[in-house]
Amino acid sequence: SQQGEEDPQALSIQEGENATMNCSYKTSINNLQWYRQNSGRGLVHLILIRSNEREKHSGRLRVTLDTSKKSSSLLITASRAADTASYFCATADSGTYKYIFGTGTRLKVLA
Amino acid sequence: DAGITQSPRHKVTETGTPVTLRCHQTENHRYMYWYRQDPGHGLRLIHYSYGVKDTDKGEVSDGYSVSRSKTEDFLLTLESATSSQTSVYFCAISVSGAQGHQPQHFGDGTRLSIL
Repeated sequence: SQQGEEDPQALSIQEGENATMNCSYKTSINNLQWYRQNSGRGLVHLILIRSNEREKHSGRLRVTLDTSKKSSSLLITASRAADTASYFCATADSGTYKYIFGTGTRLKVLA
Repeated sequence: DAGITQSPRHKVTETGTPVTLRCHQTENHRYMYWYRQDPGHGLRLIHYSYGVKDTDKGEVSDGYSVSRSKTEDFLLTLESATSSQTSVYFCAISVSGAQGHQPQHFGDGTRLSIL
């Protein structure tokens, strides 16, 4: 399979705590993106990190990328109930038009 | 939200019948994608298009065909539906494709059940 993998598959935390999810991938990439999917909806883009970047922030989101380990992590700080969703990483394969999605992490934030 | 409309939103059909799903965009984006989403598999690419009449296969293209005669429309056809094609289908668009450091924008999906 070409797909990446997210870890953990499911995560349950209390409101106000931080949530960390990880993504591993297999190929050489141009960039890596994180998406959120609420139940019954399409995916929504959260943040993109290029292969020459190591860390990026957007509001309460922090993404890191380690190309030597072919891995990325997404940190959501001070989580809210509204952050309850599935989170997917997607890699842009070098030299193609295609994105490859991971299998997702289901995050549940308890109020 | 990006202007992406998928139709129908829900469909139930029988094995062996042809099915066409439509994705319509109002953003004039060059790249369009069809994915299927199944439990435990995440999103898997079926076909994509990098321009009018320019399409290519993805990871799980067997049993599917696509057409793009206009920038705004990307059709996915199941020539003879099978139960294994029961899934949620998502269309996505992008300005520049995977190499352009631009995000994809997704429709809300079509839930297809094949009995």
